[in-house]
Amino acid sequence: NAGVTQTPKFQVLKTGQSMTLQCAQDMNHNSMYWYRQDPGMGLRLIYYSASEGTTDKGEVPNGYNVSRLNKREFSLRLESAAPSQTSVYFCASSESLAAAGYEQYFGPGTRLTVT
Amino acid sequence: AQKITQTQPGMFVQEKEAVTLDCTYDTSDPSYGLFWYKQPSSGEMIFLIYQGSYDQQNATEGRYSLNFQKARKSANLVISASQLGDSAMYFCAMSITGNQFYFGTGTSLTVIP
Repeated sequence: NAGVTQTPKFQVLKTGQSMTLQCAQDMNHNSMYWYRQDPGMGLRLIYYSASEGTTDKGEVPNGYNVSRLNKREFSLRLESAAPSQTSVYFCASSESLAAAGYEQYFGPGTRLTVT
Repeated sequence: AQKITQTQPGMFVQEKEAVTLDCTYDTSDPSYGLFWYKQPSSGEMIFLIYQGSYDQQNATEGRYSLNFQKARKSANLVISASQLGDSAMYFCAMSITGNQFYFGTGTSLTVIP
């Protein structure tokens, strides 16, 4: 099992460009999440998908869109990148809602720089 | 507002000693969960332990235990018999109804041989 995979690992964008971060899990998990991690701030939840076909906003959704393509895949899109979106992005999945105590499994992260 | 506070930016512990990493939380939601994650220098996030707000006993997982004091709103992580491989960032996190998830700013633990 690969677990949670993310592509790309690194990306540099210019302000205003768009891109999609891809995430896939092979554990047959129902719930998937996108976080960003900034220095000194811990992880912040951007969006989550409790189950296939549903998505909900987290703490910091502005500037992002998500798509739960199927049970395996959950993508994060930046429509018009801004320097404030420079961060490390983590995708995670859990068997069911993490709020119920289910462990989240994290991908290796994508380091995004917006110039 | 929901909030997780980790007041120790950095901690040092001698190998084989026990160490406590502090975490306090703030929520008005009666149903919540508390988690600890480890992030080694390689960057991945590793789940360590979970405590539900209605759990009567403190959670334990091997060398990890969670000292849950509900009245004080604290959920400290205790690592017993520290090992060199325990050197990492440790994050406390809270989930509340609606699947919102909040992480603290982390504590950097260094285990000294």
